[in-house]
Amino acid sequence: LAKTTQPISMDSYEGQEVNITCSHNNIATNDYITWYQQFPSQGPRFIIQGYKTKVTNEVASLFIPADRKSSTLSLPRVSLSDTAVYYCLVVNSGAGSYQLTFGKGTKLSVIP
Amino acid sequence: KAGVTQTPRYLIKTRGQQVTLSCSPISGHRSVSWYQQTPGQGLQFLFEYFSETQRNKGNFPGRFSGRQFSNSRSEMNVSTLELGDSALYLCASSSTVAGGNTGELFFGEGSRLTVL
Repeated sequence: LAKTTQPISMDSYEGQEVNITCSHNNIATNDYITWYQQFPSQGPRFIIQGYKTKVTNEVASLFIPADRKSSTLSLPRVSLSDTAVYYCLVVNSGAGSYQLTFGKGTKLSVIP
Repeated sequence: KAGVTQTPRYLIKTRGQQVTLSCSPISGHRSVSWYQQTPGQGLQFLFEYFSETQRNKGNFPGRFSGRQFSNSRSEMNVSTLELGDSALYLCASSSTVAGGNTGELFFGEGSRLTVL
């Protein structure tokens, strides 16, 4: 079962690129990596998902090295509205079942 | 398309009582999963239902239970409440078919339970 580790908090100025890394040392072959964003008093919201290499969508990029033991969420040119908690999720699936392991979350504070 | 709806949003109970929380998934989603979120433990998986069957279960005591109805709506129940059960309870729906989950979940806003 994959255990995920991510930094507790990060600060960034507006307009900068932010990279948040999640470690998942014992990730298995079939596991996917997903990142979520959560604002206070709301449920988490899906940002991006990947299996290996690099994935990009309209809001973020996800970099996954060849060994897949970590993943990095990249947020380009952050704004104040990106202040939130970011969670990485590893889904361990196989044999018709799966386990969901969330990281503890990284609280990103964007400074004007 | 309506999102995931959870009721009630806030509730206060006393130790020893029980509570039932409700979750209506996105139309067409057959999977509903439940999570407990606390400041100390973060997001923890409780269980998941698909087509009225519990498909997976996290590491929680038997006081935590759930069910899913034929319309995919789900309820979770916590009996004999303890102070430590105070948390935000989130449900999520997904369109996954049985046998796999790639982690793309759609969450509700949660039910905040306070146990006194």
